[in-house]
Amino acid sequence: SQKIEQNSEALNIQEGKTATLTCNYTNYSPAYLQWYRQDPGRGPVFLLLIRENEKEKRKERLKVTFDTTLKQSLFHITASQPADSATYLCALDINTGNQFYFGTGTSLTVIP
Amino acid sequence: DGGITQSPKYLFRKEGQNVTLSCEQNLNHDAMYWYRQDPGQGLRLIYYSQIVNDFQKGDIAEGYSVSREKKESFPLTVTSAQKNPTAFYLCASSETGGPQPQHFGDGTRLSIL
Repeated sequence: SQKIEQNSEALNIQEGKTATLTCNYTNYSPAYLQWYRQDPGRGPVFLLLIRENEKEKRKERLKVTFDTTLKQSLFHITASQPADSATYLCALDINTGNQFYFGTGTSLTVIP
Repeated sequence: DGGITQSPKYLFRKEGQNVTLSCEQNLNHDAMYWYRQDPGQGLRLIYYSQIVNDFQKGDIAEGYSVSREKKESFPLTVTSAQKNPTAFYLCASSETGGPQPQHFGDGTRLSIL
């Protein structure tokens, strides 16, 4: 069965530094991968989508990479701010329409 | 503003009781989804619908039922057959055709009395 692993531990970083979150997957070859942000008690909010033929995608302070050989996506937040503190989820499509498998998420805390 | 509305925010169920969670969207999206989120686990798909009057089971459909009589609405019923219903339930919608971002509501937290 498909397995998606994100950073198993919560990630704490100092304000201004770059946060790097990892999404690894096995037993699957997704064509698309998405990243979402989730705040406590709220629904996830879409951030970025990257296709398998795209190595890198950027949006403001966010950067996502997608390495289909390593079966890994990295999510970077540069110049991190306390307001970036949240849980970040990766999601892989399963090629049957608009369905996605979600990872467990990584909790990020940016320390002032 | 367009968006997805889930109600209620908190819901309590007695043993043996069915409860229905509401999900309404005004984004004019064809596709709608129900997920369950438990601590330490990713979102798991319960049911999804790509068009009115049609829906499919997700990975954990047992003990749940849905209907899609209107494009805007996709209610989820948690039946008494669902033995571990305590969870955070999330509804989402998206456009169809290719990979589309999912727009989520703010969830309903269901607890058993």
